[in-house]
Order: sequence, then C-alpha cells, then structure tokens
Amino acid sequence: AQRVTQPEKLLSVFKGAPVELKCNYSYSGSPELFWYVQYSRQRLQLLLRHISRESIKGFTADLNKGETSFHLKKPFAQEEDSAMYYCALQTGANNLFFGTGTRLTVIP
Amino acid sequence: GAGVSQSPRYKVAKRGQDVALRCDPISGHVSLFWYQQALGQGPEFLTYFQNEAQLDKSGLPSDRFFAERPEGSVSTLKIQRTQQEDSAVYLCASSAARGGRPTDTQYFGPGTRLTVL
Repeated sequence: AQRVTQPEKLLSVFKGAPVELKCNYSYSGSPELFWYVQYSRQRLQLLLRHISRESIKGFTADLNKGETSFHLKKPFAQEEDSAMYYCALQTGANNLFFGTGTRLTVIP
Repeated sequence: GAGVSQSPRYKVAKRGQDVALRCDPISGHVSLFWYQQALGQGPEFLTYFQNEAQLDKSGLPSDRFFAERPEGSVSTLKIQRTQQEDSAVYLCASSAARGGRPTDTQYFGPGTRLTVL
C-alpha cells in the first residue's frame, strides 16, 4: 500500500536560513511526487512536481528512489514562505495520497 | 478565469441530518476529485470522476456517502445521516487529465467546512 510520511508537524527557521521539509514515501511502483502548499487563508495549490525538475519560488525537491524520499529544500528562507506544506504521491490511479503536512514558520 | 468553487463554504448540521456539498470545477476539466481533510491531517481521497463516470469510489468511508456528476460538470457530495466523525473540510479538485494520459495538475477549491453537532 502507498504511504507518505512527513515526520515534522512544525518547523521554524530564521529568515535567510536554509530550510528542508522532509518527505518519505512507500510505494512499490514508480511514483509521481508533488509538493502542495497552503498559505494562510488560501486554497491548496501545487508548488512543484518531481517530473518537472523545476525550481519554484526558490524551492527544489529531488526524488531519491534509494531512500524513498522527496525532501523540499530552499537555501534562504523568506517570511512569505510561512505556510502549510504537504507532500503527495500519485500512483497509477489519478488520486493523490497526502502526508499529514508540515507547518513552516519563518521567523523575521 | 474562475478557479474551482465550492458551496457552501461552511455547513453546520445536527447529527442525523443529510447534507449536500457542491463543487463547480474549472470549465472544461474532465477529471474531478473529492477529498476529506480532518483536523490536523492531510487530505484523504474519497472519489474520482472522469466526465460523468465515477471511476473510483474506493475512498468513500461508508454507504452514507454518495457523489454524483450527472452532466460531467458540477458535482455534489451527499452525506446521509451525518455523524460527528464526518466533521471535516471537504475539498474538491479538478484537472484536465484523462485516464491514461500523463498526470495533470489538480486545482483545488477552497473547501467546505462541515461541522456535525
């Protein structure tokens, strides 16, 4: 069965510091992985997907199949990065399996 | 253009009442999804439509939950005889993807917060 684990419910970093939000997954097939973000009073929105290999708002995430991880990283955190972040896995079906989320707070 | 919209945004029901939650997807989007998000949890899949066909309802927690999309556009999630454990935010998402094509971005609505007293 598929599973997504985000071990940190809360994460606080100072502005300008590096940030890493952890995500591990369990899936026997070839996964497609995503990071979704929810800013305060806004709806859930896609941040990035591993298949695109792009950097969005300075964030990157590399799929590590050996460690079954898809950690989200940014070298210099900004105050506007404060939000709820969800890692999600899409299998052969179309629906997404989400982790429990990490609330990131960037301290000015 | 307009994104996914949901109504009502908030719903309070007494235990045992029936509720109906509406989702208006992005125009032209083929796929529509319903998710349930309990407090402190990530969204959990409920059901998936491709046009008017309900292709996957494996996530519906009980037979009290029913979803439809009769004309392949607007969808309604109905919960009969609501229970306190049904209290959650119900999210709707749509995407342009068809089955078998590469996955496409799911666009989420603002959600309906259901509170069952």
